Amino acid sequence: AAGVIQSPRHLIKEKRETATLKCYPIPRHDTVYWYQQGPGQDPQFLISFYEKMQSDKGSIPDRFSAQQFSDYHSELNMSSLELGDSALYFCASSLEGGDEKLFFGSGTQLSVL
Amino acid sequence: AQKVTQAQTEISVVEKEDVTLDCVYETRDTTYYLFWYKQPPSGELVFLIRRNSFDEQNEISGRYSWNFQKSTSSFNFTITASQVVDSAVYFCALSAAGGFKTIFGAGTRLFVKA
Repeated sequence: AAGVIQSPRHLIKEKRETATLKCYPIPRHDTVYWYQQGPGQDPQFLISFYEKMQSDKGSIPDRFSAQQFSDYHSELNMSSLELGDSALYFCASSLEGGDEKLFFGSGTQLSVL
Repeated sequence: AQKVTQAQTEISVVEKEDVTLDCVYETRDTTYYLFWYKQPPSGELVFLIRRNSFDEQNEISGRYSWNFQKSTSSFNFTITASQVVDSAVYFCALSAAGGFKTIFGAGTRLFVKA
């Protein structure tokens, strides 16, 4: 069965650079979520999209933006990267909203040097 | 505001022991969903169970069982006869019905020694 696909798997950036993370949800899933997980931390909710519209927003810095495209894939854009942005970024998808179980991708490990 | 508390940071057991992971939650929503996810060393989060706030029946799935007690706002997870492959971080999570955000507890790291 198809799973949530995230790319890239690993990303190394310098401070003040920009990064774009991509997420391809499971086919027919209409809701996408982004989470940030620091080392030894719980996943922190960043933002979600339902049917290509932003549906909820968490602790996402103003330097980050995201969108969901017509094919339901989503991109998380991160600018002016800081050392503290180094984390594992998960994308998840679900069918019909956030109270359904989430299917997570393998994550993108971002390292900011 | 919603909150999920997993007071146990780390638990270490010997294989074949039973272990219970505690989860306490706070929410003002009358209808909500509770979840458990497993994060093995490979890093990917794996769904284990979803429970509606109106369904307080305990559930058993193989060696896994869940005890939901609304009166104490707890949703505890028990692994019976633990195995080394159960070693992982386990997260309890909460979502409002109809919401688009699932919040996670801090997680409990379980070590199962052979």
